[in-house]
Amino acid sequence: AQTVTQSQPEMSVQEAETVTLSCTYDTSENNYYLFWYKQPPSRQMILVIRQEAYKQQNATENRFSVNFQKAAKSFSLKISDSQLGDTAMYFCAFMGTNTGNQFYFGTGTSLTVIP
Amino acid sequence: GAVVSQHPSRVICKSGTSVKIECRSLDFQATTMFWYRQFPKQSLMLMATSNEGSKATYEQGVEKDKFLINHASLTLSTLTVTSAHPEDSSFYICSALRTERGSGYTFGSGTRLTVV
Repeated sequence: AQTVTQSQPEMSVQEAETVTLSCTYDTSENNYYLFWYKQPPSRQMILVIRQEAYKQQNATENRFSVNFQKAAKSFSLKISDSQLGDTAMYFCAFMGTNTGNQFYFGTGTSLTVIP
Repeated sequence: GAVVSQHPSRVICKSGTSVKIECRSLDFQATTMFWYRQFPKQSLMLMATSNEGSKATYEQGVEKDKFLINHASLTLSTLTVTSAHPEDSSFYICSALRTERGSGYTFGSGTRLTVV
């Protein structure tokens, strides 16, 4: 079974600083996808970034980047130049190619950006 | 981009009544839709997987007779909470999977259900 672990229930960061959110996962699959979703107070789930496991290059989307370590089954999210609008719950998610397109979510990390 | 519309955003109903929540993919076809329940400050809990034209697959512990799911077309899935009780009060979120693998889910904006 796939499991996704986010070991940081809450984090805070000063505005304009950099913060890294941790995520590890467990799978026996070789081909899969990893995602970070953001859920602000509005509760809308927003895709932040995604990574294909077969790609060695780490995905980057503007201020958001990941450190994907396949052997270690680690998928951390780095947020640079943190903004107040980044305050949200962040969920790491795994989708395998053999699991019927089902997502496996981590328990989430509540990030607060402090002005 | 992919948009999923979920309605209503908020609903209050009396105990014993039924409530229907709609989830529509507006600009893409969704062969698979998922329904989640989320308690405050917790992660999303998958309730069921809805496939167009076939019966939904429910997760263990989810009452299929209570949470009726219908996926009659490639753009619409509905969740009906039947004979609602106060303990059914929660935040319900749908998501749709685009046919292109690896695109990830697109989520609806959620429905806050309050049963009084």
